[in-house]
Amino acid sequence: GQQVMQIPQYQHVQEGEDFTTYCNSSTTLSNIQWYKQRPGGHPVFLIQLVKSGEVKKQKRLTFQFGEAKKNSSLHITATQTTDVGTYFCAGPERGAQKLVFGQGTRLTINP
Amino acid sequence: KAGVTQTPRYLIKTRGQQVTLSCSPISGHRSVSWYQQTPGQGLQFLFEYFSETQRNKGNFPGRFSGRQFSNSRSEMNVSTLELGDSALYLCASRRGGTGSTNEQFFGPGTRLTVL
Repeated sequence: GQQVMQIPQYQHVQEGEDFTTYCNSSTTLSNIQWYKQRPGGHPVFLIQLVKSGEVKKQKRLTFQFGEAKKNSSLHITATQTTDVGTYFCAGPERGAQKLVFGQGTRLTINP
Repeated sequence: KAGVTQTPRYLIKTRGQQVTLSCSPISGHRSVSWYQQTPGQGLQFLFEYFSETQRNKGNFPGRFSGRQFSNSRSEMNVSTLELGDSALYLCASRRGGTGSTNEQFFGPGTRLTVL
């Protein structure tokens, strides 16, 4: 079945440093979604990318969807302690209303 | 608008027992999906219900089942609990249907511990 892989699994940065997580799918995706889960919380939708090569920004967060629609990245500029959490990418399985999640990247920040 | 609610929030059971978890989606949302989250396996899709019909099913044994009611509320049941079923069970709702967005709204989850 479809697999979605994320790297790195963990990332620890100093506050103010940048952070990037990468997501790769074994199959072409119709869209990709990103979620953030704070410690002890539940996943919260951040954004959806649909078009090949699409780039979207939300303040310090930049999301990209690869040209082949098989990979994506999330980049955070100048991290803040509020960015702590696990970031998941997720893509729909072809032909199904089923989201396949990556394993997530857990971001911790040293203030 | 109220968010997705799940009950109970915490549950402790013993092996062999069964458990029923409940999820109330956001008003107007007809699609409810269930996920199992564990540290080792991440977020694993269990099943999705839309207008009382199961639309998709993940790769879980038949001990895991669910249903959806006419008011879109959903329940999932796990029978003959095993230690490995200990996890956070999340439900997520979305409007569903033609033209709706894919954004899923997650509930706070039910933390199930099997002893």
